[in-house]
Amino acid sequence: GENVEQHPSTLSVQEGDSAVIKCTYSDSASNYFPWYKQELGKRPQLIIDIRSNVGEKKDQRIAVTLNKTAKHFSLHITETQPEDSAVYFCAAASDRDDKIIFGKGTRLHILP
Amino acid sequence: NAGVMQNPRHLVRRRGQEARLRCSPMKGHSHVYWYRQLPEEGLKFMVYLQKENIIDESGMPKERFSAEFPKEGPSILRIQQVVRGDSAAYFCASSLGNSYNEQFFGPGTRLTVL
Repeated sequence: GENVEQHPSTLSVQEGDSAVIKCTYSDSASNYFPWYKQELGKRPQLIIDIRSNVGEKKDQRIAVTLNKTAKHFSLHITETQPEDSAVYFCAAASDRDDKIIFGKGTRLHILP
Repeated sequence: NAGVMQNPRHLVRRRGQEARLRCSPMKGHSHVYWYRQLPEEGLKFMVYLQKENIIDESGMPKERFSAEFPKEGPSILRIQQVVRGDSAAYFCASSLGNSYNEQFFGPGTRLTVL
């Protein structure tokens, strides 16, 4: 089955700097890659997703890149703000089965 | 349009008791997924259900755990004879269709086993 690895597990960046979180997946059939943000004590919420027919997608300060050959995908947050502090989960899914497999999460701290 | 609802939000059980967790999907959603989240860990897939059908239960322990999504009413995750290791946050999510559709998460049920 699919296995999603996520790095780093913890990341601290100065407010205003960029943050990058990287994930790898194992199943070459995976073709949908969502990213979820979970604030402390709250539910996970989708912030951006990418499908395998594109290599990059951007939404304001957030961008995701996908390298299908290397089975890598990354989340980039620019001009970080205090409200970006949260746990971020990458995930992968295929249309072969209908479940999303999540990485273990990255705890992002934005330092003042 | 109300979001995904879960109840109770917090549940305390003693070892050996039963825990029953409920999830009402978003209106119009017929696909429900249950996840377990241990402290400082990720979301582990447990089971995927459609109305009256279990589609994939590969992430659910074979013993003591069961799930259903009846024609009427919420989806239920049942844990029998709970043990301390069952203490976790249990999230359900719902979607319109397959995993290409966004999964909307409920607020979770935090189960504590004494």
